[in-house]
Amino acid sequence: AQSVAQPEDQVNVAEGNPLTVKCTYSVSGNPYLFWYVQYPNRGLQFLLKYITGDNLVKGSYGFEAEFNKSQTSFHLKKPSALVSDSALYFCAVRDSKSGGSYIPTFGRGTSLIVHP
Amino acid sequence: EPEVTQTPSHQVTQMGQEVILRCVPISNHLYFYWYRQILGQKVEFLVSFYNNEISEKSEIFDDQFSVERPDGSNFTLKIRSTKLEDSAMYFCASSLSRDRVSQPQHFGDGTRLSIL
Repeated sequence: AQSVAQPEDQVNVAEGNPLTVKCTYSVSGNPYLFWYVQYPNRGLQFLLKYITGDNLVKGSYGFEAEFNKSQTSFHLKKPSALVSDSALYFCAVRDSKSGGSYIPTFGRGTSLIVHP
Repeated sequence: EPEVTQTPSHQVTQMGQEVILRCVPISNHLYFYWYRQILGQKVEFLVSFYNNEISEKSEIFDDQFSVERPDGSNFTLKIRSTKLEDSAMYFCASSLSRDRVSQPQHFGDGTRLSIL
């Protein structure tokens, strides 16, 4: 079975400061990992994914995420937060193991609030 | 950039009535999905659809639910006899493929379903 945990319901950060939104996962094979962002009254927008290769993945809007296999984590980061980054962020995982589900499992979401 | 579109944006229905939620996936996408998000909770997978048949479904997707691709462009979710607990935001998504080099899902902005 695959699962993903986002341990923080809310993250508060001042504009201009670095931000981190945490995600840990559990799969039986190798993971495919995704981050999505959801703005109010909108659908989820894809930010970035890790499939294989370089552990540091760069995505949209200046976000990046670091895959850490030993810690089973895929934390989302940005060097300098903007007020417009305030949104709900979802981590998702899919097991790459043959015969497994093709459907990603989403975390509960973390609300990021960037203060001016 | 092509988008997934969903109509209506908000649907209010009496308990026990049937409701149909509509989606137009991205035109060259082959895989289609429905998710729901109860207010303040995580995104939950309902069903995936490929080649005119259901490929995966969750335990939420019981006999009250059905999906259809009636005309090659629309993708619908029908709830036959709505219950209060069906009140949620329903998201449609599509992806180009579901292969192991995973394509991200593209989400619509959702239909807010309110059951009275």
